[in-house]
Amino acid sequence: NAGVTQTPKFRVLKTGQSMTLLCAQDMNHEYMYWYRQDPGMGLRLIHYSVGEGTTAKGEVPDGYNVSRLKKQNFLLGLESAAPSQTSVYFCASSYAGLAGNEQFFGPGTRLTVL
Amino acid sequence: AQKITQTQPGMFVQEKEAVTLDCTYDTSDQSYGLFWYKQPSSGEMIFLIYQGSYDEQNATEGRYSLNFQKARKSANLVISASQLGDSAMYFCAMREDDSSYGKLTFGQGTILTVHP
Repeated sequence: NAGVTQTPKFRVLKTGQSMTLLCAQDMNHEYMYWYRQDPGMGLRLIHYSVGEGTTAKGEVPDGYNVSRLKKQNFLLGLESAAPSQTSVYFCASSYAGLAGNEQFFGPGTRLTVL
Repeated sequence: AQKITQTQPGMFVQEKEAVTLDCTYDTSDQSYGLFWYKQPSSGEMIFLIYQGSYDEQNATEGRYSLNFQKARKSANLVISASQLGDSAMYFCAMREDDSSYGKLTFGQGTILTVHP
């Protein structure tokens, strides 16, 4: 099992460019999440999905869009990148339900917007 | 108000000694979960330990234990017999069960440095 994988691992964009980050999980998890990590601020939730075809906004959704067309994949899009979106992006997944379901994290994508 | 507060930006400990990393939380939910994750310099997020709000016993996982004081809303991580490999950033996180779909709210983290 690969667990949670993220593509790409690193990317440099110019302001205004667009890109898509891909997250894939092979654990048959229902829930998937996108977080961003900025220095001194911990991880903040961007968007999440509770199942195929459903998405919802998290704490910091502005400037991002997501799609979950297949259960195993969760895509994060930046339509017009801004320097404020320079960050490390983590995807995570978990089983549905409540009790102690840890989130499994991908290795992260380091994005720099110039 | 901050939902998760980690008041120690950095902590130092001597190898083989125990260390406590502080975490306080704020929620009005009756059912919630508290998690600790480790992030080494390589960047990945590693799950360490979980405590449910209805668990009466403190959670333990090997050298990690969670000192859960519900009335004080604290969930401190205790690492016993520190090792050099424990040097990392540690995050406390909370999942509020009432309507959260498993979403986690993270604290700002504590950088732990283990000295030989």
